[in-house]
Amino acid sequence: DTGVSQDPRHKITKRGQNVTFRCDPISEHNRLYWYRQTLGQGPEFLTYFQNEAQLEKSRLLSDRFSAERPKGSFSTLEIQRTEQGDSAMYLCASSLSYNEQFFGPGTRLTVL
Amino acid sequence: AQTVTQSQPEMSVQEAETVTLSCTYDTSESNYYLFWYKQPPSRQMILVIRQEAYKQQNATENRFSVNFQKAAKSFSLKISDSQLGDTAMYFCAFMKPTPNDMRFGAGTRLTVKP
Repeated sequence: DTGVSQDPRHKITKRGQNVTFRCDPISEHNRLYWYRQTLGQGPEFLTYFQNEAQLEKSRLLSDRFSAERPKGSFSTLEIQRTEQGDSAMYLCASSLSYNEQFFGPGTRLTVL
Repeated sequence: AQTVTQSQPEMSVQEAETVTLSCTYDTSESNYYLFWYKQPPSRQMILVIRQEAYKQQNATENRFSVNFQKAAKSFSLKISDSQLGDTAMYFCAFMKPTPNDMRFGAGTRLTVKP
């Protein structure tokens, strides 16, 4: 296991379509995080899982966003009825402790 | 709410010289963690250095060191003997143990010039 992986790396969609992203964390990591990063800004926290439980959700995570982590392994982030303002890099990170979060390469979403 | 401020949007340094990136944060907590992450162009973020707030000793990782001033809520990063590969966005981040989300600053774009 070489690190956190995310799929797809790039996604172009039309406004109003639904999209789903996948994150595979480092295998023994029980914590998984989703962030959103817009151009020129730092990542903004979206949500956090410990094992399969979603323990924290940011107010940035509107009703159109849903995240799951079945069986405490990989996670999916779905955005329904995409809007142009959803265009961003979506980052996933995982950790085993409070010391460090390991980031994936991100999924760049472009909503036309 | 915790906020992280990086007041230098861009900085440049000559190769082999030393540069310091600034970061301040706002919190009422006494127990927390601070991090510097590096994001090279079109590449993923990697951890540069971390500091636990309860430790008085400043963290050091090879050419990277921090100046952690808890009372002033300041956490600067010093890069010694800068290398071309240090060119990247640098993000300062703050994290409480609970909830376990990380708050990032807006970043400092560092360019190392040959």
